[in-house]
Amino acid sequence: EPEVTQTPSHQVTQMGQEVILRCVPISNHLYFYWYRQILGQKVEFLVSFYNNEISEKSEIFDDQFSVERPDGSNFTLKIRSTKLEDSAMYFCASSQQGWGTGELFFGEGSRLTVL
Amino acid sequence: KNEVEQSPQNLTAQEGEFITINCSYSVGISALHWLQQHPGGGIVSLFMLSSGKKKHGRLIATINIQEKHSSLHITASHPRDSAVYICAVRLGTDKLIFGTGTRLQVFP
Repeated sequence: EPEVTQTPSHQVTQMGQEVILRCVPISNHLYFYWYRQILGQKVEFLVSFYNNEISEKSEIFDDQFSVERPDGSNFTLKIRSTKLEDSAMYFCASSQQGWGTGELFFGEGSRLTVL
Repeated sequence: KNEVEQSPQNLTAQEGEFITINCSYSVGISALHWLQQHPGGGIVSLFMLSSGKKKHGRLIATINIQEKHSSLHITASHPRDSAVYICAVRLGTDKLIFGTGTRLQVFP
């Protein structure tokens, strides 16, 4: 069964460092998403991406964050200068259809620890 | 005020019991998702609903749009059903708003 894969599964970084989290969505999916979950808290939407541009983003997704689909298969989330409060599990998801009509498929998550 | 409320927050059951998890929301939605989060953290989509009822194996999800309420039922529960069950709603855009989850433990 096709699946969304994320790398790395766990990354430890120093505050102020740049981090790139990678996702390989399901191959025929067109809509891509990043979510985050701070330990013990609920999952939060970060950003949605379609047709090589951001379609929606939350208040959390400030200038420190960026997303891109560099090569037609990977979908990356970059955090430019990490802060302690960026420590969280980051989930990538993809869907064949957007705007609430498509089932979401999630990756296993990337745990980011900022020291 | 939370836009998505789940109850109960924690639930324990004996194997074989019928389980109900509830989700209420305060806004108009285009769809509601039920998700399962494993102890390791991974998330699996169980259902996406915009009306009525869906069934998959021992899982049943219902939604009442007028009352802004959805329920997830598990029949003949099993220890492998132990997980966090999360309700999430779409507001007509791509943004999902998540509930805080219901932690279910099923004992043999």
